[in-house]
Amino acid sequence: DSGVTQTPKHLITATGQRVTLRCSPRSGDLSVYWYQQSLDQGLQFLIQYYNGEERAKGNILERFSAQQFPDLHSELNLSSLELGDSALYFCASSPGTDQEKLFFGSGTQLSVL
Amino acid sequence: LAKTTQPISMDSYEGQEVNITCSHNNIATNDYITWYQQFPSQGPRFIIQGYKTKVTNEVASLFIPADRKSSTLSLPRVSLSDTAVYYCLVGDPPSGTYKYIFGTGTRLKVLA
Repeated sequence: DSGVTQTPKHLITATGQRVTLRCSPRSGDLSVYWYQQSLDQGLQFLIQYYNGEERAKGNILERFSAQQFPDLHSELNLSSLELGDSALYFCASSPGTDQEKLFFGSGTQLSVL
Repeated sequence: LAKTTQPISMDSYEGQEVNITCSHNNIATNDYITWYQQFPSQGPRFIIQGYKTKVTNEVASLFIPADRKSSTLSLPRVSLSDTAVYYCLVGDPPSGTYKYIFGTGTRLKVLA
């Protein structure tokens, strides 16, 4: 168990809908990272937050947004969903920001029908 | 543009030593090299991290030559449960921030 909790584990929704994925980092970790993994794209870095502030941005679509709350949990919001958004979404956390090892959650499997 | 290059796949037999090499020609002075293991439908798991020469832990060894343009993950006496995808990561610090970019990884299959 990595100590990173993601909910829900599975999510099935329809095109055009909006969903929210939740991540609770390990106790004491200030950084949260979001990744998307699909069969044809591999593991794609989306965004990183550190202590409530956006730290780095990767291949995150404009339809997607994220935030980190004062209690350090994070949410990834996906809107106007398309079939191609179906993927496994991982959250990871680390104590700070400087090339530390990441601890990954077990992921949220999103299916857009 | 990928910062690292790894073999797409490798096969090995139980009990053998497996070496997976990663090329990172553009590694920056401050970059560390980190390896992760991922099983299907699970999040990646940290294996080992190093900056130069050799690092060893209870799971693997990491060899980094002096020029640091490549690194080799060594798994001693693999078992069937080591079948997984192995990723090599190099820190990518544009503008003072770090991005954790995973490449395509190496799919290791251990055969009985």
